[in-house]
Amino acid sequence: DADVTQTPRNRITKTGKRIMLECSQTKGHDRMYWYRQDPGLGLRLIYYSFDVKDINKGEISDGYSVSRQAQAKFSLSLESAIPNQTALYFCATSDPPGQINNEQFFGPGTRLTVL
Amino acid sequence: DAKTTQPPSMDCAEGRAANLPCNHSTISGNEYVYWYRQIHSQGPQYIIHGLKNNETNEMASLIITEDRKSSTLILPHATLRDTAVYYCIALAGQGGKLIFGQGTELSVKP
Repeated sequence: DADVTQTPRNRITKTGKRIMLECSQTKGHDRMYWYRQDPGLGLRLIYYSFDVKDINKGEISDGYSVSRQAQAKFSLSLESAIPNQTALYFCATSDPPGQINNEQFFGPGTRLTVL
Repeated sequence: DAKTTQPPSMDCAEGRAANLPCNHSTISGNEYVYWYRQIHSQGPQYIIHGLKNNETNEMASLIITEDRKSSTLILPHATLRDTAVYYCIALAGQGGKLIFGQGTELSVKP
């Protein structure tokens, strides 16, 4: 079974709808991240969380919100979706710095299309 | 946060070594150089990282210049499955927040 899972994998929605993307991990990591990727570009950080009570804005947080329901779950919401939020969304996890390897582990991605 | 610069694309013959360069002239003393790759819209995959010494693992080698202003990722015997976009990243502070550029699209050809 995958260590980092994302649901749904694909979603088509309409402008103005509320959408929630979910991420779950079985790695036992404290840190979780949400990124988006537009065609031909690298990933950009939306929000990140260092533990259950910690939420931080990333590079492009406008139009998004997050919820860290438990150590293993981190959800991304689009309160009122707009077409330029059409993108590939990735969740990732990592251990805190100070561990031997601060590697991030990525989920398979959610492809979101807003019409 | 140090910015990295990579060539947009490179080709490599199957079985040969692939050498992917990265410039990070503004890297600070406590920033690591990380390499990730992304195969065809899958989630990025960690390859290797280093601070100032050269590093090797089962996937690749990382050569960092003595002044730390540039580095090279080496895939010693590239296969078709190594075709991917490779990202060189200077780890931003203590937060573990990866800042992705546009990477290098490596095409391994038969």
